Amino acid sequence: GAVVSQHPSWVICKSGTSVKIECRSLDFQATTMFWYRQFPKQSLMLMATSNEGSKATYEQGVEKDKFLINHASLTLSTLTVTSAHPEDSSFYICSAYPGLAEETQYFGPGTRLLVL
Amino acid sequence: LAKTTQPISMDSYEGQEVNITCSHNNIATNDYITWYQQFPSQGPRFIIQGYKTKVTNEVASLFIPADRKSSTLSLPRVSLSDTAVYYCLVGGGSNDYKLSFGAGTTVTVRA
Repeated sequence: GAVVSQHPSWVICKSGTSVKIECRSLDFQATTMFWYRQFPKQSLMLMATSNEGSKATYEQGVEKDKFLINHASLTLSTLTVTSAHPEDSSFYICSAYPGLAEETQYFGPGTRLLVL
Repeated sequence: LAKTTQPISMDSYEGQEVNITCSHNNIATNDYITWYQQFPSQGPRFIIQGYKTKVTNEVASLFIPADRKSSTLSLPRVSLSDTAVYYCLVGGGSNDYKLSFGAGTTVTVRA
């Protein structure tokens, strides 16, 4: 149980285009989903918190107009990198939280984005 | 978010027990302690979670002293495939269930 998927697993795009990444909780409903970014040899950095049916909450320094998050259902959240540039190239990871205090976040496999 | 401190790296050999201690002096009353494992180019994988005392599952044990200001992840009889980065995190209802990742501990298992 507690499986989270991401699609696509990797994507290469041209500078200036937009890229959408999907995060799904496959066997549970997630009241909250989180989006992280990880650069090579570095730790995960929380970008935003996504709650179903409401606007996402972004961490300080993360541009909300650059990284659009939509949490349309209890099993799906999407991250759209708008007008991507080479500096947006990174490993994007989502996690899903079932909503119980004793529970933990379950992470997706990650999406590698390369902007040329 | 409670800050955690753990060793940057640890080396071990196959078959040995690896113990990683994490300090979290500012842990809140309703925070849980969770450990994750991450391989390169993969998302973190849940290992174990606890609130106090000792928790054991099929892959690891987690020891938490009474003051909860630290915790120790114990990996019994490691193999080469246990080479990974291990993250200690604290979180819970006090911070909207957010997790703040520190640098983690890179565990290298040698033959």
